[in-house]
Amino acid sequence: EAGVAQSPRYKIIEKRQSVAFWCNPISGHATLYWYQQILGQGPKLLIQFQNNGVVDDSQLPKDRFSAERLKGVDSTLKIQPAKLEDSAVYLCASSQLSRDSSYEQYFGPGTRLTVT
Amino acid sequence: SQKIEQNSEALNIQEGKTATLTCNYTNYSPAYLQWYRQDPGRGPVFLLLIRENEKEKRKERLKVTFDTTLKQSLFHITASQPADSATYLCAQANTGGFKTIFGAGTRLFVKA
Repeated sequence: EAGVAQSPRYKIIEKRQSVAFWCNPISGHATLYWYQQILGQGPKLLIQFQNNGVVDDSQLPKDRFSAERLKGVDSTLKIQPAKLEDSAVYLCASSQLSRDSSYEQYFGPGTRLTVT
Repeated sequence: SQKIEQNSEALNIQEGKTATLTCNYTNYSPAYLQWYRQDPGRGPVFLLLIRENEKEKRKERLKVTFDTTLKQSLFHITASQPADSATYLCAQANTGGFKTIFGAGTRLFVKA
């Protein structure tokens, strides 16, 4: 099966500019996650969707970050305006409920964002 | 607040030996712990999951344990190979797959 797709792979912008990332999860996966991974750290959950509804966005900086999941499939994450500290890799992951309630997540390759 | 910690120092071992990585959690009891592998420039790849009511899980050369008394999970790679060199991430989540928290990861180097 096809994996999680993300685009673009790399993006360089200046501070105060806007940027958007796109994610296409594995077909049939109801849950979609966006993570921020700063160099040398583990992924930090920004937002979690179940189908097209948000189930957790407690760590999303809502004054500048927004995300949506249209029709419960693709998702976009937007930053407006960007700050220097937003430089990181943005990872998208998806998962499905299995009979044994396993929530293993499948990650995309990530988008490396550099804010100058 | 919920916190998960992994040894930030890199682990260097000789090929053929067993690598043991540690994951500690505080202030909560996760429903399960997951272990992922991450190579440079790539997203994490799922390896193993262990639930709070399980003591041990195995998959080929991998073994993970879960000690709720010590609030610790150990991840073992037996007969390690240079291809096992990567960063290994521990993650916890609550029942229902919510509130996933990742540790910072431990870098493993296996020398031939």
